[in-house]
Amino acid sequence: EAQVTQNPRYLITVTGKKLTVTCSQNMNHEYMSWYRQDPGLGLRQIYYSMNVEVTDKGDVPEGYKVSRKEKRNFPLILESPSPNQTSLYFCASSLSIGFDIQYFGAGTRLSVL
Amino acid sequence: AQSVTQPDIHITVSEGASLELRCNYSYGATPYLFWYVQSPGQGLQLLLKYFSGDTLVQGIKGFEAEFKRSQSSFNLRKPSVHWSDAAEYFCAVGAGTASKLTFGTGTRLQVTL
Repeated sequence: EAQVTQNPRYLITVTGKKLTVTCSQNMNHEYMSWYRQDPGLGLRQIYYSMNVEVTDKGDVPEGYKVSRKEKRNFPLILESPSPNQTSLYFCASSLSIGFDIQYFGAGTRLSVL
Repeated sequence: AQSVTQPDIHITVSEGASLELRCNYSYGATPYLFWYVQSPGQGLQLLLKYFSGDTLVQGIKGFEAEFKRSQSSFNLRKPSVHWSDAAEYFCAVGAGTASKLTFGTGTRLQVTL
């Protein structure tokens, strides 16, 4: 089954404790992206990757890091989480760059205390 | 930069009634337009997309949308709503070469029986 898998689905942490949210897709997609969803703000892009070792900033990259060492994986790293990063995070992938259909993971709800 | 406005935060309709969700976009050239649906606790699922050609596009679950360049709109419609359509709906516009999607803030649909 084609899917984008995020882990964990729920995470509660404390300020400053490094964390990683994993994202994996099994569709051999080139393009992957991270979004955060906040009430009243819709989804905002954090980072995206057009292929292995190619990443770039989205609209709200501050406080986040990503890596793309393998085509299927695109982890989101918060080196020193802060309460303003409490949000719902989505990973998405699509076959190619350009406006192909994006497939979304089920989301990771993060709370930073 | 592109932007998307969904003027209705919350809409309530009766089951069997027709539905129209509004979406207005701002972009200098021909945009790529999308509607996504998010059911509670789920990721986003693509309902339909407009890239070019026929301005009336059909999507899944009986939804359709019409691109009106003169009004900068891409409204989503369904002739008869089902209780299972209760969800949050996001309009998105894509532009440029970086596969960047800009989402609206969403419209939450409630369906009464």
